[in-house]
Amino acid sequence: DAKTTQPPSMDCAEGRAANLPCNHSTISGNEYVYWYRQIHSQGPQYIIHGLKNNETNEMASLIITEDRKSSTLILPHATLRDTAVYYCIVRVYNQGGKLIFGQGTELSVKP
Amino acid sequence: EPEVTQTPSHQVTQMGQEVILRCVPISNHLYFYWYRQILGQKVEFLVSFYNNEISEKSEIFDDQFSVERPDGSNFTLKIRSTKLEDSAMYFCATIGEQGDTEAFFGQGTRLTVV
Repeated sequence: DAKTTQPPSMDCAEGRAANLPCNHSTISGNEYVYWYRQIHSQGPQYIIHGLKNNETNEMASLIITEDRKSSTLILPHATLRDTAVYYCIVRVYNQGGKLIFGQGTELSVKP
Repeated sequence: EPEVTQTPSHQVTQMGQEVILRCVPISNHLYFYWYRQILGQKVEFLVSFYNNEISEKSEIFDDQFSVERPDGSNFTLKIRSTKLEDSAMYFCATIGEQGDTEAFFGQGTRLTVV
């Protein structure tokens, strides 16, 4: 079973920041937090990952709490094309282990 | 950007028939996976494959399923005798040499069993 809990759905206005929360209270010390998204029925797409420090790339920012029990994915300026299901996944880094998907958060970006 | 290629994009088959789904991984990637997604449900792990053998499989991956790399490039998923409940999107994914960072997913094969 997935080790993460996410709200089933969220709305965001186009051009505003989308903040997607995730709880992973049982995360282990060697597990990273990964975020993927799935647009319609396309293959999941990697967004970002982190261990304990905040991370930023060209797509998003990842904020992880100090106790690592929760995190927030931030899309700084959401567009209509960011409408998708967003998955928060915990996984051991560097071992080729499987990804366990939960139900994710269905983000709707509205004009 | 490198990509994982899956064929066919859509396959319709009769119940009881065998199907083979094909995936061309990103070159130099060593970890391969199959996932499936029944319409309206979450993405489910089926099997992982490394060093020419199965490294892990889920309880979904029963004796009706098999995987192989027949020619060192393609990675295939075979379903021997399809059932109606096998209808789903099947995704191939690959990870690079160190098994780290991101998994690259293909665009999927939509399997419809009638």
